[in-house]
Amino acid sequence: NAGVMQNPRHLVRRRGQEARLRCSPMKGHSHVYWYRQLPEEGLKFMVYLQKENIIDESGMPKERFSAEFPKEGPSILRIQQVVRGDSAAYFCASSLSFGREGTDTQYFGPGTRLTVL
Amino acid sequence: DAKTTQPNSMESNEEEPVHLPCNHSTISGTDYIHWYRQLPSQGPEYVIHGLTSNVNNRMASLAIAEDRKSSTLILHRATLRDAAVYYCTHGPPGAQKLVFGQGTRLTINP
Repeated sequence: NAGVMQNPRHLVRRRGQEARLRCSPMKGHSHVYWYRQLPEEGLKFMVYLQKENIIDESGMPKERFSAEFPKEGPSILRIQQVVRGDSAAYFCASSLSFGREGTDTQYFGPGTRLTVL
Repeated sequence: DAKTTQPNSMESNEEEPVHLPCNHSTISGTDYIHWYRQLPSQGPEYVIHGLTSNVNNRMASLAIAEDRKSSTLILHRATLRDAAVYYCTHGPPGAQKLVFGQGTRLTINP
């Protein structure tokens, strides 16, 4: 039973390039969350998606960042025109249902470590 | 958003019990308490959650204060593999996001 998968595990981009981070949730999970962890800092929520819908994007920067979770395929976090401050670990999590048994357990992937040169 | 207070760091010895405290004085009546941990260079890992009663699973136990304003994660026999940053948080049923504080960095001595 494969866990949450993220790729690439490491990504290097130059300033101004685009970064695409992929997340495949656990089998049967239809809820995906993205978190960012800046160096030496805690985890910060970015966005919560269900299939084809963005449910909560309150943690997403207003510009250059977007996320999608299409009907088929992985969830994508896209960062346009990357800057050095985007260097961080980006974690994806998935969960099975929305409050069906009171609360959702989120299962995290190994993360993508983005380095912007 | 959830606000929790945890010690920045704790240290324990291998095979001894570890009690990790968390204050969550702003918790509301329906919030669940969640604990996650993050091993070095890995993604966070679910540990345990609870609402009012104490909870046990294969990884740990969760002791919840009667007023629910604090909780304690208990590792019964720490191993070197338990060295990690431990985060507690709380949120309403079916919460869409987890709000993490700085967590407690647990060091286990051989």
